[in-house]
Amino acid sequence: DAGITQSPRHKVTETGTPVTLRCHQTENHRYMYWYRQDPGHGLRLIHYSYGVKDTDKGEVSDGYSVSRSKTEDFLLTLESATSSQTSVYFCAISESPRGYTFGSGTRLTVV
Amino acid sequence: RKEVEQDPGPFNVPEGATVAFNCTYSNSASQSFFWYRQDCRKEPKLLMSVYSSGNEDGRFTAQLNRASQYISLLIRDSKLSDSATYLCVAHNNAGNMLTFGGGTRLMVKP
Repeated sequence: DAGITQSPRHKVTETGTPVTLRCHQTENHRYMYWYRQDPGHGLRLIHYSYGVKDTDKGEVSDGYSVSRSKTEDFLLTLESATSSQTSVYFCAISESPRGYTFGSGTRLTVV
Repeated sequence: RKEVEQDPGPFNVPEGATVAFNCTYSNSASQSFFWYRQDCRKEPKLLMSVYSSGNEDGRFTAQLNRASQYISLLIRDSKLSDSATYLCVAHNNAGNMLTFGGGTRLMVKP
């Protein structure tokens, strides 16, 4: 399997606190993505990156920011966590349409 | 309307049965299509690509109908290990992005 790791795997945080999730890859893939998965909504794209310092918004970007200062790392930040951001967050990497590989996910609970 | 729509199920079938899932997409600019499999509390994994000519991988057959904007997945001789959620996925060349359907849950019973 491709080398992609997410951290932390689980996190509980309080409303209003900032939270950063990390996605790390060892495959040197150009594209990296952050999705959230919720019952009834499936996987929805939050932000994606097509290179170092090159990022763009996805379908549900409000309340989230990202940064990619190195090819291997893509960070997702919740500036001020809300209960509606309780979800499972998946990072994915890709060099081609057939090459999407997902990380194991981060379960975030905002209380 | 969601860009990729699927019946959420669950589909409850006995071992050995044949089961078919359908999916529709609304963006006619979508170029490529895939089926992903997701086990409970795990990440999605690519199952197979979908081509207009139809393609088969063992017990799995996928089909694309561009005129009707419709995708299907057929599973023959279902196994207990096929129990999972199957995600229909459309690829958009812009940004190399995938759009996921909500998934169809399959439960294969002994």
